[in-house]
Amino acid sequence: DTAVSQTPKYLVTQMGNDKSIKCEQNLGHDTMYWYKQDSKKFLKIMFSYNNKELIINETVPNRFSPKSPDKAHLNLHINSLELGDSAVYFCASSQEGRNTEAFFGQGTRLTVV
Amino acid sequence: GNSVTQMEGPVTLSEEAFLTINCTYTATGYPSLFWYVQYPGEGLQLLLKATKADDKGSNKGFEATYRKETTSFHLEKGSVQVSDSAVYFCALYYSSASKIIFGSGTRLSIRP
Repeated sequence: DTAVSQTPKYLVTQMGNDKSIKCEQNLGHDTMYWYKQDSKKFLKIMFSYNNKELIINETVPNRFSPKSPDKAHLNLHINSLELGDSAVYFCASSQEGRNTEAFFGQGTRLTVV
Repeated sequence: GNSVTQMEGPVTLSEEAFLTINCTYTATGYPSLFWYVQYPGEGLQLLLKATKADDKGSNKGFEATYRKETTSFHLEKGSVQVSDSAVYFCALYYSSASKIIFGSGTRLSIRP
């Protein structure tokens, strides 16, 4: 059983296209995240949702729009893709509290050409 | 603001060598601290954690102690193996911020 699953694993697309990445967690967690990892492995938080409510939007361009239809899902839609959007995107989930740890998906490698 | 600083890599060691990866943090209050590991082509996995001062987290021979006085959470292992080659991330969690903040990652390579 995969705890946090995201699809697709690889995504190659042309500049200007619109694409979506899906994420689902079966851990019963109340918080979900999207992180972007660049080519130097630096991880930057993009969004955080708690019980379907947006908690954090870290100055991400509004071409990126997360959607959380329920607590178990947090999808990421990207409009008008740019070359600089090429990265690995990770979905994660956690349960709010001091002992929280985040569980990560396998990542989606997005390549914009 | 809250932040995590960890030693830059890459770090290259021979098998059975002693490992230390330094990590310091800046935070108000008392965050929880973590080490995550990322193997090639995979997502991040929790390696160990500590939730209060003087706690020691340990797993797979790795250890780290939450030092409030030096705001540090250094990762150590007494004898590394080739299979430990990966990228290691120090991180902190602040419940009031609802986010996990990661350091820049340290790539570790172990030579047979």
